[in-house]
Amino acid sequence: AQSVAQPEDQVNVAEGNPLTVKCTYSVSGNPYLFWYVQYPNRGLQFLLKYITGDNLVKGSYGFEAEFNKSQTSFHLKKPSALVSDSALYFCAVRILYNTDKLIFGTGTRLQVFP
Amino acid sequence: GAGVSQSPRYKVAKRGQDVALRCDPISGHVSLFWYQQALGQGPEFLTYFQNEAQLDKSGLPSDRFFAERPEGSVSTLKIQRTQQEDSAVYLCASSLGGWDQPQHFGDGTRLSIL
Repeated sequence: AQSVAQPEDQVNVAEGNPLTVKCTYSVSGNPYLFWYVQYPNRGLQFLLKYITGDNLVKGSYGFEAEFNKSQTSFHLKKPSALVSDSALYFCAVRILYNTDKLIFGTGTRLQVFP
Repeated sequence: GAGVSQSPRYKVAKRGQDVALRCDPISGHVSLFWYQQALGQGPEFLTYFQNEAQLDKSGLPSDRFFAERPEGSVSTLKIQRTQQEDSAVYLCASSLGGWDQPQHFGDGTRLSIL
């Protein structure tokens, strides 16, 4: 079965420190992976995607993600966290066989402290 | 604005009533998606349109849920004889339709069934 796991419900980090939000996936075939961010009472905002090519993907607002095929992981990273990065982050895998849909993880709440 | 627009933002209905939720996708976007997001959970796929064709409705929870996109633009998600378990945020997303294109989400409709 196709699935995405986000093992941490919450990640706490001090402003200015690097942050990592973890994601692992299970899919058959090539994975199409996405990260989205959700602020309170808002929809999901696209951050970045991995389709093919370089394992390090750069996205919006200084975020990047590292695709690791052997570990089936796609961790979200940022070198220096901002208080305004505090939000709910979702990892997703796109399924294109006989459909077109995203399967989301359960989300990780990122809290950046001043 | 140029984003996905959903209306109403909030809807309160009594159990047993019918509701209709509207989605205006980004102009020119071929693909349209509906997701259901329960409190504290990641979004779950409901259905997918390519232009006016509903290509996947496997995520609709029951035959009380019905979605349409008659002219390949605006879409409506209808829920008949609402139940308390239908309470959730309903998210609409659209994309250009290419295999490498991300889905762009609206802010959702928060549905509360009393």
